[in-house]
Amino acid sequence: EDQVTQSPEALRLQEGESSSLNCSYTVSGLRGLFWYRQDPGKGPEFLFTLYSAGEEKEKERLKATLTKKESFLHITAPKPEDSATYLCAVLRGAQKLVFGQGTRLTINP
Amino acid sequence: KAGVTQTPRYLIKTRGQQVTLSCSPISGHRSVSWYQQTPGQGLQFLFEYFSETQRNKGNFPGRFSGRQFSNSRSEMNVSTLELGDSALYLCASSYYPRGGAAGRNTDTQYFGPGTRLTVL
Repeated sequence: EDQVTQSPEALRLQEGESSSLNCSYTVSGLRGLFWYRQDPGKGPEFLFTLYSAGEEKEKERLKATLTKKESFLHITAPKPEDSATYLCAVLRGAQKLVFGQGTRLTINP
Repeated sequence: KAGVTQTPRYLIKTRGQQVTLSCSPISGHRSVSWYQQTPGQGLQFLFEYFSETQRNKGNFPGRFSGRQFSNSRSEMNVSTLELGDSALYLCASSYYPRGGAAGRNTDTQYFGPGTRLTVL
């Protein structure tokens, strides 16, 4: 069965303190791995898609990387507005996304 | 380009009632997927529609159903509501060409703001 596990569940950082979020997955026939950001009371906002091991994508203070078993979302010098829940999901076939439980990130000023 | 819209945004129902939620995809997007989000189970796939046909279905009981119209707008219906159906229901759309062939340009799903359903 497809499984996506994110760690840590929650992370609290000081403004400017860089860190990484982890997403490990067990899926056969991975078609793509996705990162989303979700603010309270809102729908997930698309960030990145990764397709093959070694691939990297960047957007502002965020960089996503992919290996054969896991993905990392690196956040560099975060700001309070980066506080959100970050969701990882895998697309195995068709249009079904399998999500992890998310990492709740809080950046203190 | 306008994003995915969902109506209503909030809904309160009582057990045993039924409810219909609506989703309008991004213009030009033909695939619409529905997800349920709860604190305990996270985001779970309900079903996906393309060209007015259900292509994929998640592991939810038959009380959950949906449909898609010729303009790609979609509705989902939950009958005989239970307390456990309280959740944020999210709709997502993705681009698909007329032929329906999947590819990297069809993979990304863009989510709407959701409908918060509370069952009392």
